[in-house]
Amino acid sequence: AQKITQTQPGMFVQEKEAVTLDCTYDTSDPSYGLFWYKQPSSGEMIFLIYQGSYDQQNATEGRYSLNFQKARKSANLVISASQLGDSAMYFCAMESSGAGSYQLTFGKGTKLSVIP
Amino acid sequence: DTGVSQDPRHKITKRGQNVTFRCDPISEHNRLYWYRQTLGQGPEFLTYFQNEAQLEKSRLLSDRFSAERPKGSFSTLEIQRTEQGDSAMYLCASSLVEGTGELFFGEGSRLTVL
Repeated sequence: AQKITQTQPGMFVQEKEAVTLDCTYDTSDPSYGLFWYKQPSSGEMIFLIYQGSYDQQNATEGRYSLNFQKARKSANLVISASQLGDSAMYFCAMESSGAGSYQLTFGKGTKLSVIP
Repeated sequence: DTGVSQDPRHKITKRGQNVTFRCDPISEHNRLYWYRQTLGQGPEFLTYFQNEAQLEKSRLLSDRFSAERPKGSFSTLEIQRTEQGDSAMYLCASSLVEGTGELFFGEGSRLTVL
């Protein structure tokens, strides 16, 4: 069974500073994908970044980067130059397609608050 | 607007009533998913369709829940004999078969069972 652990219920960051949101995962499948989603107060889940288990380089998407440490089973999200609009819930998720399943397993999320 | 749309956005019902939610995915997406999210938790997978075929169901999906995608386009999720524990946000998402499997979510349908 897959499991995602996000140990930070809430985080604060000063505007324009960088912040790291932690995510560890557990799976026995050799092939899997890791995702980060943002959920603002409106409720819609917004895709941020993806990392495949066989990708050699860490994924980057604009101000978002994923610090993927496969041996430690961690996939931390780094947001650089935080903006007030980054205040939201952030969810780490894993898809394990090795068993033919295409469902995502989500963590409990981290609430990020950006302070002006 | 070409994103995933869900209707209704909010539904308040009395225990024991039936409710139905509709999801219209992004038009070229052949995969459609339903998730449930309760307060303070991440979304939990309920079921998934590829075109009109329901290929996977979670054990969370009791026999009171049924989902359909009759023509491989929109989908409905029906909950019969609602219970207070069914109160949650029901999220629909769609994706393409190819690619990274990125899911595009709708804004959700919030159910309150009194």
